[in-house]
Amino acid sequence: QVQLVESGGGVVQPGRSLRLSCAASGFTFSNFGMHWVRQAPGKGLEWVAVIAYDEGHKDYADSVKGRFTISRDNSKRQLYLQMSGLRPEDTAVYYCARDLFERVPAPDGPLDYWGQGTLVTVSS
Amino acid sequence: DIQMTQSPSSLSASVGDRVTITCRASQSISSFLNWYQHKPGKAPKLLIHLASSLRSGVPSRFSGSGSGTDFTLSISSLQPEDFATYYCQQSFSSPISFGQGTRLEIK
Repeated sequence: QVQLVESGGGVVQPGRSLRLSCAASGFTFSNFGMHWVRQAPGKGLEWVAVIAYDEGHKDYADSVKGRFTISRDNSKRQLYLQMSGLRPEDTAVYYCARDLFERVPAPDGPLDYWGQGTLVTVSS
Repeated sequence: DIQMTQSPSSLSASVGDRVTITCRASQSISSFLNWYQHKPGKAPKLLIHLASSLRSGVPSRFSGSGSGTDFTLSISSLQPEDFATYYCQQSFSSPISFGQGTRLEIK
């Protein structure tokens, strides 16, 4: 069955960096676009970033553009989110999620499988 | 960017009730509208995509309708496991965007 397992969260000081990972299994990872979505404490879901199945397309929310970088290693079935210049408002549970459709050049959802999330806390 | 607005923000209902949640897009998104269920500490779950297509395994008491800018999610007879937060999300154009959520609580 499809599984997505995030890791790499933790407590980090403002301005520092952190890299999240998402390990995928149970499907042909290299065929699907992947997303990062976050949920700040007491808030709703906020889309963060997307990467196409072949890395041919990447896009970011304005709130993280220039600070976060999404990448993937299809040979390792891993999705990454490199976060730099972290701010207190980046505190959230970060989810990785799979796009529903295969081999889409610019995936826009829907997101059919999600991980359980990893908590990032930005605080001094 | 397309803004998604859900109403109500919260809703109290009883087991067996029928409930309806609405979602409005700031511009036409055709039928590129998806609904998710999210319970605390769990992964969000895709219920409906393309406005009305029920995902495999989702109970038939869930249904979606609408096109253009106005959409609804209906639950015909609430079950205890349905109490959760529901989000709409547009996949018409990037950046994709979610509604603010509707928290469905037990009365």
